[in-house]
Amino acid sequence: EIVMTQSPATLSVSPGERATLSCRASQSVSSYLAWYQQKPGQAPRLLIYGAATRATGIPARFSGSGSGTEFTLTISSLQSEDFAVYYCQQYNNWPPITFGQGTRLEIK
Amino acid sequence: EVQVLESGGGLVQPGGSLRVSCAASGLTFSSFGMSWVRQAPGKGLEWVSTISATGDSTYYSDSVKGRFTLSRDNSKKTVYLQMNSLRAEDTAVYYCAKGLYYMDVWGQGTTVTVSS
Repeated sequence: EIVMTQSPATLSVSPGERATLSCRASQSVSSYLAWYQQKPGQAPRLLIYGAATRATGIPARFSGSGSGTEFTLTISSLQSEDFAVYYCQQYNNWPPITFGQGTRLEIK
Repeated sequence: EVQVLESGGGLVQPGGSLRVSCAASGLTFSSFGMSWVRQAPGKGLEWVSTISATGDSTYYSDSVKGRFTLSRDNSKKTVYLQMNSLRAEDTAVYYCAKGLYYMDVWGQGTTVTVSS
């Protein structure tokens, strides 16, 4: 099973600033990596798939990068609606599909 | 607009059974794999099961293998998750989502509580 590790657990950033979230895989997942956003009381929403492709309707301020074992989700200029929990997920070597434990992005 | 809607959650005793359903609309249902992901209270996301577009292939996490069965009826655009031998640790919000590898459309979830 591939273990996904996200860092940091909590990230405090001011609105308008850049946020950088990291995700590491215990072995290579190539570019088979997705990112999700989840707000309290809501279902997750797909942001990025294929490590760098934005899902339909996702603003350009969200970008993904990386391959192999190291991945990054960058939010270029934080808006108030971006404060949420973010999860990475690998789908290269499955089953099982595995998620990271999440990064909570909070207002500084 | 593509939508999925879960139903069937509730309170069940340990060792009991429950079937949750997921009805989809706005898509050619028989062309897409479907998945279930759960979230225990205050915890992260955990993949549970996935079924191929035709229903010929199903996949399960080790934590539910042998207890849960995923099936689909393409004529009704619905997937079914039959959960048997339920345990307290199965308590969670169960999300149905469109997708075989990554999930691009999610339902709002149905809550399953296993407690005596």
